[in-house]
Amino acid sequence: KQEVTQIPAALSVPEGENLVLNCSFTDSAIYNLQWFRQDPGKGLTSLLLIQSSQREQTSGRLNASLDKSSGRSTLYIAASQPGDSATYLCALAGETSGSRLTFGEGTQLTVNP
Amino acid sequence: NAGVMQNPRHLVRRRGQEARLRCSPMKGHSHVYWYRQLPEEGLKFMVYLQKENIIDESGMPKERFSAEFPKEGPSILRIQQVVRGDSAAYFCASSPRLNTEAFFGQGTRLTVV
Repeated sequence: KQEVTQIPAALSVPEGENLVLNCSFTDSAIYNLQWFRQDPGKGLTSLLLIQSSQREQTSGRLNASLDKSSGRSTLYIAASQPGDSATYLCALAGETSGSRLTFGEGTQLTVNP
Repeated sequence: NAGVMQNPRHLVRRRGQEARLRCSPMKGHSHVYWYRQLPEEGLKFMVYLQKENIIDESGMPKERFSAEFPKEGPSILRIQQVVRGDSAAYFCASSPRLNTEAFFGQGTRLTVV
């Protein structure tokens, strides 16, 4: 059974800092890994999707990496801004689970002005 | 092309009533997934449906919960005789084919009083 862990559970940083969010998983038989952002009381916004054959994906100030062999992914946020404050979720689709996702519990990020 | 539409956005039910949550997938998407997010917890998979078929309901509680995705119309998640523990955010996602990116709706927040 796939288990997804996100560390830290909460993070508070000053504006402008570069930061890394971590996601680890127990079963490397994944089809893809996705990072989402969730604002309080809102839905999920997809940030980056990495296929199992890829090592990283970049979008603007965001960079996500994937290391299947070690069961880890990181989300790097450059030059953080107060608007980046949200909960960041890591989710994986298993090789045999179609598009069904297993989620981590999230990292709650606060960027202070 | 509208995104995944869920309604209602907020639903209040008294204990013992029925709750019906609706999800209209993106145009051209025939795969629908329901997830539940309990307060202070991560998203958990409930059920995966294709048109008129339940593919995987391994995350669905055995009693009081049911889901359908008819040939015409939205997918419905139905909760009978609701209890306070059913209070949560329920998210729907859709994808066009197997093993493709799933897109999420804004969620329905159910409160049982």
